[in-house]
Amino acid sequence: QKEVEQDPGPLSVPEGAIVSLNCTYSNSAFQYFMWYRQYSRKGPELLMYTYSSGNKEDGRFTAQVDKSSKYISLFIRDSQPSDSATYLCAMSAQENTGNQFYFGTGTSLTVIP
Amino acid sequence: EAGVTQFPSHSVIEKGQTVTLRCDPISGHDNLYWYRRVMGKEIKFLLHFVKESKQDESGMPNNRFLAERTGGTYSTLKVQPAELEDSGVYFCASSQSASFYQETQYFGPGTRLLVL
Repeated sequence: QKEVEQDPGPLSVPEGAIVSLNCTYSNSAFQYFMWYRQYSRKGPELLMYTYSSGNKEDGRFTAQVDKSSKYISLFIRDSQPSDSATYLCAMSAQENTGNQFYFGTGTSLTVIP
Repeated sequence: EAGVTQFPSHSVIEKGQTVTLRCDPISGHDNLYWYRRVMGKEIKFLLHFVKESKQDESGMPNNRFLAERTGGTYSTLKVQPAELEDSGVYFCASSQSASFYQETQYFGPGTRLLVL
């Protein structure tokens, strides 16, 4: 079983729609949760991170963590064509190491003008 | 400020050949990471340098992979001899702090390696 599961999509929405991206995980020790955005031919770029459970909001982006369900979400409000990218979730049980850093496979999002 | 740069952007080699990938981190970043994404799979950790020292190389798949970071600046990742399963995108990332929660890891654009 994979540590992190993420629906690869592709997901296509009209401009202005609310987008919901999700990941599930199996390791209850995960405490740190991150969302990355990756444009074509670029490296991943950190969008948001949260520690433990709860919500975090940054502009049009909201990250939610439900540790009881081992489920995390990223919501994008008022989606824009510039949001078209692949979104990767990542998580870790520890803060200071890369080898415990688990990525999802990414969800491809297209926002249609 | 320049970001993380990687060279080459693409490499196509035959099985059994040697390839060397280079990563130039952001200036002043002591922490340098290598990751790999095999087609259709998730990004996976390969190793972590702190300055010129290997902090963690537990993700290196086998002894055909050799990473170096002489002088604590740029890093190279050599694959010798390359096998078909080594094909994928190799990402480098750097950060000032080893705590990725306190400070972002900045990723390079990746090197796309195809072994034929």
